[in-house]
Amino acid sequence: ELKVEQNPLFLSMQEGKNYTIYCNYSTTSDRLYWYRQDPGKSLESLFVLLSNGAVKQEGRLMASLDTKARLSTLHITAAVHDLSATYFCAVETYNTDKLIFGTGTRLQVFP
Amino acid sequence: NAGVTQTPKFQVLKTGQSMTLQCAQDMNHEYMSWYRQDPGMGLRLIHYSVGAGITDQGEVPNGYNVSRSTTEDFPLRLLSAAPSQTSVYFCASRYRRGGGYTFGSGTRLTVV
Repeated sequence: ELKVEQNPLFLSMQEGKNYTIYCNYSTTSDRLYWYRQDPGKSLESLFVLLSNGAVKQEGRLMASLDTKARLSTLHITAAVHDLSATYFCAVETYNTDKLIFGTGTRLQVFP
Repeated sequence: NAGVTQTPKFQVLKTGQSMTLQCAQDMNHEYMSWYRQDPGMGLRLIHYSVGAGITDQGEVPNGYNVSRSTTEDFPLRLLSAAPSQTSVYFCASRYRRGGGYTFGSGTRLTVV
């Protein structure tokens, strides 16, 4: 059974700083997704990573995938308050169509 | 395009009552899924469908039924509501495997 773990679960960081959120998963997969959720809102798709070594960047966020290590990272560069949200990774199982989510990382950026 | 539409947005049920959460999409997406979100537990997959007439169980299917008679609609039925089913329910759809899901705005369900 696929397990998806994120860490940290909660991240409080100062504006201008860099940090990385980690997403580990337990079984073979080459499809990983990152989503953002603002409080009380729905989820918004950020990145789709479909192969080993895939790297995607959008603004201050960069996501990467290492399928051999079963690890994806979401790197935040020079954080700003607008990035405050909960970030989820989700992994698609290799031989089914299930998309399994991690528990999320709640990010708070303060001045 | 309306995207993924969920109704109702809020619902209060008494224990033992049944109800159907509606989900419709107008993007001609083949894949649809239902998730529940509880504090500290992320999103958990209830049921999913890869096309009309095809459904399968997710991580937490007990107490829920689904059907997919059309591409557009994917209703979730609670057979006999229990307080443990108090949650926020999200419906999502995507065109194909490997594509990102588009999520609906959610249904906040309270069972008393």
